[in-house]
Amino acid sequence: EPEVTQTPSHQVTQMGQEVILRCVPISNHLYFYWYRQILGQKVEFLVSFYNNEISEKSEIFDDQFSVERPDGSNFTLKIRSTKLEDSAMYFCASTEWPQSTDTQYFGPGTRLTVL
Amino acid sequence: DAKTTQPTSMDCAEGRAANLPCNHSTISGNEYVYWYRQIHSQGPQYIIHGLKNNETNEMASLIITEDRKSSTLILPHATLRDTAVYYCIVRVPGSARQLTFGSGTQLTVLP
Repeated sequence: EPEVTQTPSHQVTQMGQEVILRCVPISNHLYFYWYRQILGQKVEFLVSFYNNEISEKSEIFDDQFSVERPDGSNFTLKIRSTKLEDSAMYFCASTEWPQSTDTQYFGPGTRLTVL
Repeated sequence: DAKTTQPTSMDCAEGRAANLPCNHSTISGNEYVYWYRQIHSQGPQYIIHGLKNNETNEMASLIITEDRKSSTLILPHATLRDTAVYYCIVRVPGSARQLTFGSGTQLTVLP
């Protein structure tokens, strides 16, 4: 069964450093998402991406964040200058919509630890 | 999207049916009920969704009341691997908009 994959599974970085989290969405999916979950808190939406453009973004997704689809398979989330409060699990998701149902399928997540 | 209310936690004996309730009294006519679960900080996993008819798939059954103000997710034979946080989300399908996760129900399946 096709699945969303994410790398790395765990990223440790120093405050102020740039990090890039990578995702490979399911191959025929067209809408992509990033969510995050701070330890013990709810899963929060960050951004959605369609047709090489940001479709929606939350208040969390400020100028420190950017997303890109650099090739036909990868979808990346970049944090330019990490802060302690960026420590969280980051989940990528994708959906077939508008081709079919908009059920979102999630990857296993990247645990980001900012020291 | 309509607001949902779920119990904070529930226990279920292994092998028994787990019935997880969700209230969504402000649901509108074009909103569906979706269920996802999250096993210990893994990525959320889609379970099932429905509009007004009962739905069943290989994972679970979804029972929606006639007035659509509440629903129940049923795991017919719970196993230890079903221990997870279960989220009930109400939204309009086909919009590809974000999912809004609440606190969900922590289901613990006991041996």
